[in-house]
Amino acid sequence: AQTVTQSQPEMSVQEAETVTLSCTYDTSESNYYLFWYKQPPSRQMILVIRQEAYKQQNATENRFSVNFQKAAKSFSLKISDSQLGDTAMYFCAFGRSNAGGTSYGKLTFGQGTILTVHP
Amino acid sequence: GAGVSQSPSNKVTEKGKDVELRCDPISGHTALYWYRQSLGQGLEFLIYFQGNSAPDKSGLPSDRFSAERTGGSVSTLTIQRTQQEDSAVYLCASSLGPGGVTSTDTQYFGPGTRLTVL
Repeated sequence: AQTVTQSQPEMSVQEAETVTLSCTYDTSESNYYLFWYKQPPSRQMILVIRQEAYKQQNATENRFSVNFQKAAKSFSLKISDSQLGDTAMYFCAFGRSNAGGTSYGKLTFGQGTILTVHP
Repeated sequence: GAGVSQSPSNKVTEKGKDVELRCDPISGHTALYWYRQSLGQGLEFLIYFQGNSAPDKSGLPSDRFSAERTGGSVSTLTIQRTQQEDSAVYLCASSLGPGGVTSTDTQYFGPGTRLTVL
């Protein structure tokens, strides 16, 4: 079974600054994907960024980037130039992939980190 | 519609009553998932449907919980004899499935149904 741990229940950052959210995971799988989802007060889960475990290069999506350390089983999210709209709960998630490298099946989520961006 | 839809948005029921929650996935998505999110907690997997395969029911917490997916599209999650600990937000997600054109089978979530059991 996989476990995902987010050790920061709450974080805050000033607008335009940078913040890093932590995530560690435990698995015996060799093929997997990692995700960060954002959940604003509207409850709508939104995919922020994803990382294929077989790729050494860290994923980036505009102001969002990850620091993926496979050996340490660590997957942190960095948000640069924070904006008020980034205020939300952020979830780290683990997903398996098949031998062909396609992700499938259920996601295992961490407990979430509430991020508040202050003006 | 363009996204995953769920109904009702909110449901208040009395302990012991049965409830049905509905999920309409994105058209063409073969995979459908149900998750439960208790207050301030992460998402807990409940059940996964993939095409015509037998569903993965490994996350259902008790035999009071069941789900079906008719015609490979709409899904209904049923909770019988509801208990107060069933109060949570129930989220549905869908994805193209492992046969999709991309390597990452991204799950797209609906807005959820907030269930309150009095």
